Amino acid sequence: GAGVSQSPRYKVAKRGQDVALRCDPISGHVSLFWYQQALGQGPEFLTYFQNEAQLDKSGLPSDRFFAERPEGSVSTLKIQRTQQEDSAVYLCASSFSGRGTGELFFGEGSRLTVL
Amino acid sequence: DAKTTQPPSMDCAEGRAANLPCNHSTISGNEYVYWYRQIHSQGPQYIIHGLKNNETNEMASLIITEDRKSSTLILPHATLRDTAVYYCIVCKPYGNKLVFGAGTILRVKS
Repeated sequence: GAGVSQSPRYKVAKRGQDVALRCDPISGHVSLFWYQQALGQGPEFLTYFQNEAQLDKSGLPSDRFFAERPEGSVSTLKIQRTQQEDSAVYLCASSFSGRGTGELFFGEGSRLTVL
Repeated sequence: DAKTTQPPSMDCAEGRAANLPCNHSTISGNEYVYWYRQIHSQGPQYIIHGLKNNETNEMASLIITEDRKSSTLILPHATLRDTAVYYCIVCKPYGNKLVFGAGTILRVKS
C-alpha cells in the first residue's frame, strides 16, 4: 500500500512478556518516528530515525523500550518485560524530509494491552 | 518549541464553517504553526501549516494573526466526517519531533 503500515494492529500481552511492534514506512521516506498515545491523550514522542541512525531517543520511557531501523526502512519497537502502564497505542510516522518534521504520515497504530 | 493552548471541545453544525482557535503566545520567529487531526481509531492526519501568511489548501484555511501569537483553523463546510480531535502544534521547520497537546475535540452535528 501507499501508506504507513503497522503490525500487529492489536496485541495483548501478559505482564512480563516481551513484545515487538513493526512499522513499514512509506517507500523512500527518510525520517521515521515512534509515538505513544495513552487513552484520551495526545501522542507523545518516543524516538526518531533518520535513515538507519537513531538521532533522538529522548522520549523512550525506560530502558525496557528499544527501537531499531537497521536498513533505513522497516522499524521495530521492542518492549521488554511489559508492564500495565505500557498499555497504549503505538504510532509510527514517516516523512520524506531528511531534516525532520514537515508533513508526517502516520500509520493507524498498534494497540497494546498488557494484562 | 512553543506551547499551544486550545479549547478542549467545540460543536459545529453540519454545513457550517468550523473555526478552531489556537493560542501560541511564546512562538519564536522561525517556528511554524502546524495543524493535524485524529479521527477515532486512526493515526493523526496532516491538515495544513504556515509561518506568517494565511494558507489555504483543499482541506482547510489557516489564519495567523499579524503578531503570530494566535491562529485559527477554518473548515469551510464541516461534515460529519470532520468530527475528530484537532491538534495545533508549533515547531521549528527542521525540528525533529512534533509535540502534541490535548487538542480540541470537534463534534460536527447534523
